[in-house]
Order: sequence, then structure tokens, then C-alpha cells
Amino acid sequence: EVQLVQSGAEVKKPGEPLRISCQGSGYRFTSYWITWVRQMPGKGLEWMGRIDTDDSYTNYSPSFQGHVTISVDKSISTVYLQWSGLRASDTAVYYCARHRCSADCYDDYWGQGTLVTVSS
Amino acid sequence: IQMTQSPSSLSASVGDRVTITCRASQTISTYFNWFQQKPGRAPRLLIYSASSLQSGVPSRFSGSGSGTDFTLTISSLQPEDFATYYCQQTYSTPYTFGLGTKLEIK
Repeated sequence: EVQLVQSGAEVKKPGEPLRISCQGSGYRFTSYWITWVRQMPGKGLEWMGRIDTDDSYTNYSPSFQGHVTISVDKSISTVYLQWSGLRASDTAVYYCARHRCSADCYDDYWGQGTLVTVSS
Repeated sequence: IQMTQSPSSLSASVGDRVTITCRASQTISTYFNWFQQKPGRAPRLLIYSASSLQSGVPSRFSGSGSGTDFTLTISSLQPEDFATYYCQQTYSTPYTFGLGTKLEIK
């Protein structure tokens, strides 16, 4: 069974660093990219970026480039999303998803989401 | 690429046929997906490549379109279908979503 399990909810202060994780299982991890998607409270879905889990190649949305870093540790089938300094506006639920590209690209399995709350 | 969904909200009854549309700001061939999201839950892939039904999704869901105009149809609404629906283009990065259509019970 394909599963993506994300790390638990976090409460942080502005300026603090944070790394959240997404661990895949039930499939060949390095055969699929992983996507990260943000959902701010009461709002829609925003595509943040994706990583090739085999070679660590990344694509970022310009809206997030330079503010977040996506990385992978193949040895434990885990992808990370990290911030060096959080802002209050980073308060959101963050989802990872398995991203498959053949003739087309789509996210077929999703993690349960990680709620990040940034407040002084 | 901007994705414009309509309507933004919709009230319907169990058994109704419902159509949601999405327009891309430029041609995207069939690099297009539909997702369903219920409150407090992760999105669920319904349709990929504009018209392919994801495994496990009921056949009352269907998708059509290519180029710039796309449609999601639910042939006979069931109680579990009341949710928010999002379209997404995967023609070029950054992949973008529509703002969503909230489907509510009439």
C-alpha cells in the first residue's frame, strides 16, 4: 500500500527555523518525484515545488523560491521542506504528494498534511 | 499559467447532474487534473490527463476538454460528493491550481 506519512504539527515563532518531513512507503521511492503544496487557512491549494527523489533536482514556484528548501534523503525514503526563518504568513497546512510523470504529470497519493503555526 | 474555475460555489441536490468548468490562460493540451477536497482532509485525485479516471474513483465522475477549456461532470450527486473541487495544470511549472469550487447541499 502506497503511503506518505508526514511529520506532526508544529508551533513556532517568527524567525525560527523549521524542517518538516514526508516519508514514502509501499512503492519504489526513487521512481517518483515528490511535490509540496501549501494551503493557508480557509484558502485554496498552492503549488510550492517538487523534487526528483533520485537525483535531488528541484523545481520551485517563484512565489516560494528562496524562502523554502526542498531536499531528500533516499536512504530513509524521506523528503523535507525547510525554512531558515519563518514568517507569520507561513501559517498553513503543508501537503506532500507522490508526483508521477509519464505522458502527463499528476499527484496521485497525498500525505495527511502538516499544520505549521507561526505566532509570536 | 492562470486557471479560472467557475462557479466558485454551487448548491445542488442529491441526484443532480453537476458541471464545473476550468479555463487556462493559455493552451495546455490535456496536461490537466481535477482534485476533490473535503474539510480537514488531503486533496484526492479524481481525473488526470483531462479525462482519465483515477483508480478507485466512482464512474459518476468524468472529465473532458483540451487546449484551454475543461469540464468536470458528476452525473448523479451522492451525499459524499459535497466538497471543494480544484483544477490544476501540469503543462509547465509552476503548476497552478484554480481557486476551487465549493459544492454545497441545496
